[in-house]
Amino acid sequence: QKEVEQDPGPLSVPEGAIVSLNCTYSNSAFQYFMWYRQYSRKGPELLMYTYSSGNKEDGRFTAQVDKSSKYISLFIRDSQPSDSATYLCAMTDSNYQLIWGAGTKLIIKP
Amino acid sequence: ETGVTQTPRHLVMGMTNKKSLKCEQHLGHNAMYWYKQSAKKPLELMFVYNFKEQTENNSVPSRFSPECPNSSHLFLHLHTLQPEDSALYLCASSQVGRDSGNTIYFGEGSWLTVV
Repeated sequence: QKEVEQDPGPLSVPEGAIVSLNCTYSNSAFQYFMWYRQYSRKGPELLMYTYSSGNKEDGRFTAQVDKSSKYISLFIRDSQPSDSATYLCAMTDSNYQLIWGAGTKLIIKP
Repeated sequence: ETGVTQTPRHLVMGMTNKKSLKCEQHLGHNAMYWYKQSAKKPLELMFVYNFKEQTENNSVPSRFSPECPNSSHLFLHLHTLQPEDSALYLCASSQVGRDSGNTIYFGEGSWLTVV
């Protein structure tokens, strides 16, 4: 079993829809949780990072962590074609070792 | 501008060539990384340098040789590569510690094609 599971997609939704991207993990020691966005042929860029459980909002993006279920989510409101990209989740334990999901490819149809 | 600069952005090399990828970070971070990203595969961590000391080498073939002369610069020396080494090579940096939890920042990547 992989430490971090992420559906590769592609996930295709119409413009304006609410998008939900998810990762599950097995290691209860994970404390920091991150979401990265990667456009085609570019390096990943940090979108959001959260510590421990709870929600964090930044504009149209909301990151949610449920440590009891070992489940993290990224919600995108009012999705735009420019949000089309691959979204990667990542998390670290107390030793700061970074573990990556495989990434979900998101397509927003105009 | 990501704060992490990689050169060259694109590189085509023959299997007998020797070339180097260069990375520079302008963020004052204490750790630097090389990752390999192949099509439809997750990011693969190759090397980690913490305060210029190599702390991780994930069973990377010896045809890849890292060099970290100071905390801002990182090189990946390439020699006698194979076609399967063609991939996007990403440099990253981070400030490892309690406040940031090792949030890393990537460069734009160097696209390598081995012919």
